[in-house]
Amino acid sequence: KAGVTQTPRYLIKTRGQQVTLSCSPISGHRSVSWYQQTPGQGLQFLFEYFSETQRNKGNFPGRFSGRQFSNSRSEMNVSTLELGDSALYLCASSSGGGNTDTQYFGPGTRLTVL
Amino acid sequence: AQSVTQPDIHITVSEGASLELRCNYSYGATPYLFWYVQSPGQGLQLLLKYFSGDTLVQGIKGFEAEFKRSQSSFNLRKPSVHWSDAAEYFCAVAYSGTYKYIFGTGTRLKVLA
Repeated sequence: KAGVTQTPRYLIKTRGQQVTLSCSPISGHRSVSWYQQTPGQGLQFLFEYFSETQRNKGNFPGRFSGRQFSNSRSEMNVSTLELGDSALYLCASSSGGGNTDTQYFGPGTRLTVL
Repeated sequence: AQSVTQPDIHITVSEGASLELRCNYSYGATPYLFWYVQSPGQGLQLLLKYFSGDTLVQGIKGFEAEFKRSQSSFNLRKPSVHWSDAAEYFCAVAYSGTYKYIFGTGTRLKVLA
């Protein structure tokens, strides 16, 4: 089975711009979660989707949003980028049958905001 | 608040030596516990997980972890470290109904030849 794929792998944006990141889960997985990883804050939960519904959301401003499509692929969007949004954004998928299902992570998208 | 503590930010061991990475969680409810490893520029790879049952769990790459409820701990161990084990290790916890993992801050392992 192919693993979780994330595109693009690297992005450079400037402050004020917006960005969309994409995640394709493992085939058959219906849950997709997003995490932000920074040296200062570590891994922080952004949101989780299951069957196109957001089931949980972390403590991030409204500039961070996401969605999931009927094929379980997910996108996250960050509007009005700030320097502090520079981070590795990780996507994880799981079967979604239970909230404690094992999450499998993609390689991440490295976002740099200048 | 739910939290995970990994008290050691950096650990250095010699190749062939034993390893123990510490992890403590704060919340009293039944936790679901995980250890992940991250190599530079990579995503996270699952090493092992504990849901219930035997408190000593075996994982990949020769790692094991022991769940101790009385100490709220889930320490990761390996009897003999290899140079390829150099990476960052994350402990994570999940609780029923939350649909998210809470991660510790990670422990960076350096292996001396």
